[in-house]
Amino acid sequence: AQKVTQAQTEISVVEKEDVTLDCVYETRDTTYYLFWYKQPPSGELVFLIRRNSFDEQNEISGRYSWNFQKSTSSFNFTITASQVVDSAVYFCALSEALLSGSARQLTFGSGTQLTVLP
Amino acid sequence: AAGVIQSPRHLIKEKRETATLKCYPIPRHDTVYWYQQGPGQDPQFLISFYEKMQSDKGSIPDRFSAQQFSDYHSELNMSSLELGDSALYFCASSLTPASSTDTQYFGPGTRLTVL
Repeated sequence: AQKVTQAQTEISVVEKEDVTLDCVYETRDTTYYLFWYKQPPSGELVFLIRRNSFDEQNEISGRYSWNFQKSTSSFNFTITASQVVDSAVYFCALSEALLSGSARQLTFGSGTQLTVLP
Repeated sequence: AAGVIQSPRHLIKEKRETATLKCYPIPRHDTVYWYQQGPGQDPQFLISFYEKMQSDKGSIPDRFSAQQFSDYHSELNMSSLELGDSALYFCASSLTPASSTDTQYFGPGTRLTVL
């Protein structure tokens, strides 16, 4: 069975601070996919990034960066110079390798509520 | 770019009533997923369809059923509604699962309130 753990329930920072959201996962598959989604107060789920298990390259997109480490089963997300608009719930999610003809389902972590104060 | 469309956005029902939620995937997406998110919870997978066939089943109650139609839109039918069914229901769509670009894009959700 797969499992995603986001130990940080809530984080509060002051604008312009850097913040890292932790994500630890468990899976028996050797091929899997990791995702981060953002859920702002309006409620929609916004896709941020996808990472394949065979690609351990870290990624940077503007103020966002992701650190994937298979050795520790972690996929952490860092926001640099945080802004008030970054306030949201952030979910880490995992899907296992596809079986022929099957569609992947996502297993989500419990989410981290990030509040950025002005 | 076109996104996933869900209707209605809000729905209020009484206990024991039925509800139908609709999902229109992103054009060319042939896979649809349904998730349920209770208050303060993470989204839980209910069911998915690929090319109009049920693909995977999660924690979907027997009172719920769903299907995907020839135009790839999907409907989630919920009967004998209970108070505990009050939640945000998300639909997501993706390209053919075998595609390397298979990422689930979510609709805005339908907020169901059962009184």
